[in-house]
Amino acid sequence: DTGVSQNPRHKITKRGQNVTFRCDPISEHNRLYWYRQTLGQGPEFLTYFQNEAQLEKSRLLSDRFSAERPKGSFSTLEIQRTEQGDSAMYLCASSLEGVHLRREKLFFGSGTQLSVL
Amino acid sequence: AQKVTQAQTEISVVEKEDVTLDCVYETRDTTYYLFWYKQPPSGELVFLIRRNSFDEQNEISGRYSWNFQKSTSSFNFTITASQVVDSAVYFCALSIWSGGGADGLTFGKGTHLIIQP
Repeated sequence: DTGVSQNPRHKITKRGQNVTFRCDPISEHNRLYWYRQTLGQGPEFLTYFQNEAQLEKSRLLSDRFSAERPKGSFSTLEIQRTEQGDSAMYLCASSLEGVHLRREKLFFGSGTQLSVL
Repeated sequence: AQKVTQAQTEISVVEKEDVTLDCVYETRDTTYYLFWYKQPPSGELVFLIRRNSFDEQNEISGRYSWNFQKSTSSFNFTITASQVVDSAVYFCALSIWSGGGADGLTFGKGTHLIIQP
């Protein structure tokens, strides 16, 4: 159990550029979640996957955001035409089942800090 | 919609003091789940506890204890005999059960706990 891994740890980009983050969940975890956290705030839910299926997307996830989990293992989150308001920590989490079942819990990665200049 | 309020933005105490972190939640659902997470400076959210809405029994785990009161919609967290290593941001979170829908957590803004030696 190596934990949830996120890459890169930090990303600095210019406004208008596209960026992509990667998340490797704990192996065999079939649920994967993306959250966004801005300074001084709690994490905000963006979207989640059950295996390769994206089951829900928050209203926070604008059309410029897209997430994939093509083989039900790692996931990518892409932001197109970045804006300064996209600057935040992007957190990934995984669980074996939903958090309501069998006392499951989310395991979080350390996040990718995005700075849009 | 769900809401979690952590009114204490920052708390500073001297080591060995007891400290209570407050959490008040709002939801219209009768089935819901409450969580506490710890976020140390490294950024990774660490699960502390999960409580469902039908279980109002208080819980103690070492120096940590949780007081769940449905009548006041509160889920407070107490650290007894605090230690410097307890310094972190603590988040309270809420999740509703929507019959297979999203398990997305709604987080509060967090309480920054500083334990001074």
